[in-house]
Amino acid sequence: DGGITQSPKYLFRKEGQNVTLSCEQNLNHDAMYWYRQDPGQGLRLIYYSQIVNDFQKGDIAEGYSVSREKKESFPLTVTSAQKNPTAFYLCASSITGGNQPQHFGDGTRLSIL
Amino acid sequence: AQSVTQLGSHVSVSEGALVLLRCNYSSSVPPYLFWYVQYPNQGLQLLLKYTSAATLVKGINGFEAEFKKSETSFHLTKPSAHMSDAAEYFCAVTLSGTYKYIFGTGTRLKVLA
Repeated sequence: DGGITQSPKYLFRKEGQNVTLSCEQNLNHDAMYWYRQDPGQGLRLIYYSQIVNDFQKGDIAEGYSVSREKKESFPLTVTSAQKNPTAFYLCASSITGGNQPQHFGDGTRLSIL
Repeated sequence: AQSVTQLGSHVSVSEGALVLLRCNYSSSVPPYLFWYVQYPNQGLQLLLKYTSAATLVKGINGFEAEFKKSETSFHLTKPSAHMSDAAEYFCAVTLSGTYKYIFGTGTRLKVLA
């Protein structure tokens, strides 16, 4: 079955450390997204990519970086500049934007040691 | 700019009772609207979508929603709640040609035996 795989499920970061969250999809979707989910705040867009080798900042991109070297993969790096990284991170994809629904992975929960 | 408001962060219903989760949107042009469900520590799963065809949209698990332009609403309903419906529900809006999906803050549904 096609879908989105996020790994790891749980991740711990030490102060001053960069960590990378993996997101892989086999849905052949062009667009991919990263969201941050905090209790009571819904989903907030970090970065999105419409196509390979292109990506745009979302609403809360500070302290995060991404790459899109392959259609299937959209890794997110949480840098030490992100002062409050503890959250649930969701990766999504869609065929294109607009009227197409998004498909989501099962998330990565990041905590600070 | 688009926005979404979900009234009621927590809703409780008895098993077998009607489920009504409210979503109001703001958009200057015809929007595309989605309802998603999230179970604990999982990603979001699409329940249904409105993409300007029929105003009454039927989704999975017996849920449906009606697009009412005059009320700028897209409320989610289910005639008879089941224990397995206990989850968090998100309404989302986007526009054609964009890659920004705006999510509401979610409504946590509790089903009482």
